[in-house]
Amino acid sequence: DAMVIQNPRYQVTQFGKPVTLSCSQTLNHNVMYWYQQKSSQAPKLLFHYYDKDFNNEADTPDNFQSRRPNTSFCFLDIRSPGLGDAAMYLCATRAHARNEQFFGPGTRLTVL
Amino acid sequence: GQQVMQIPQYQHVQEGEDFTTYCNSSTTLSNIQWYKQRPGGHPVFLIQLVKSGEVKKQKRLTFQFGEAKKNSSLHITATQTTDVGTYFCAGKANDYKLSFGAGTTVTVRA
Repeated sequence: DAMVIQNPRYQVTQFGKPVTLSCSQTLNHNVMYWYQQKSSQAPKLLFHYYDKDFNNEADTPDNFQSRRPNTSFCFLDIRSPGLGDAAMYLCATRAHARNEQFFGPGTRLTVL
Repeated sequence: GQQVMQIPQYQHVQEGEDFTTYCNSSTTLSNIQWYKQRPGGHPVFLIQLVKSGEVKKQKRLTFQFGEAKKNSSLHITATQTTDVGTYFCAGKANDYKLSFGAGTTVTVRA
């Protein structure tokens, strides 16, 4: 089945230690999104790619970076995680000319 | 920027009862989407509404889009335990971005 896959599902890192989260999709969608979701809150968009074009949200901290080496994969790099970065990180995809987004299962990040 | 407000934040429902969650945008929307997130899960797309005054049904779920395309509602009849979760409305702000409401978290007592 076509799907959005995120690895790992759970990630524990230390304060200040860089961490990379990965997302892959078999849907061949043009657009890939990274969201941060904290407990009992709505998903907050960090950035997105339309094909290879990167679009950063104005309020996304510089600590968060992303890479999309090809259509299928997208990475979220947190250069120096702080305690406030502990959250669920959701990857989502969307096909060109469609509106609905398909979310992966998420990676729950814990910062010690 | 665009804001999407959603009420109530929490809805505790007796099994078999009906309830409604409401969504309001500060600006006119080109479309509105609804997602459901089960506890511990990820958002799953339910439906999209595009036309002014549009009403769509999915079994016990009825979705409405307001005439002015600034508000929407989700009505669930005869609530079941499988309806537990958080329901998000999301308004399309521009070509790529959705503005999510804060969600309505539904719990059901048997």
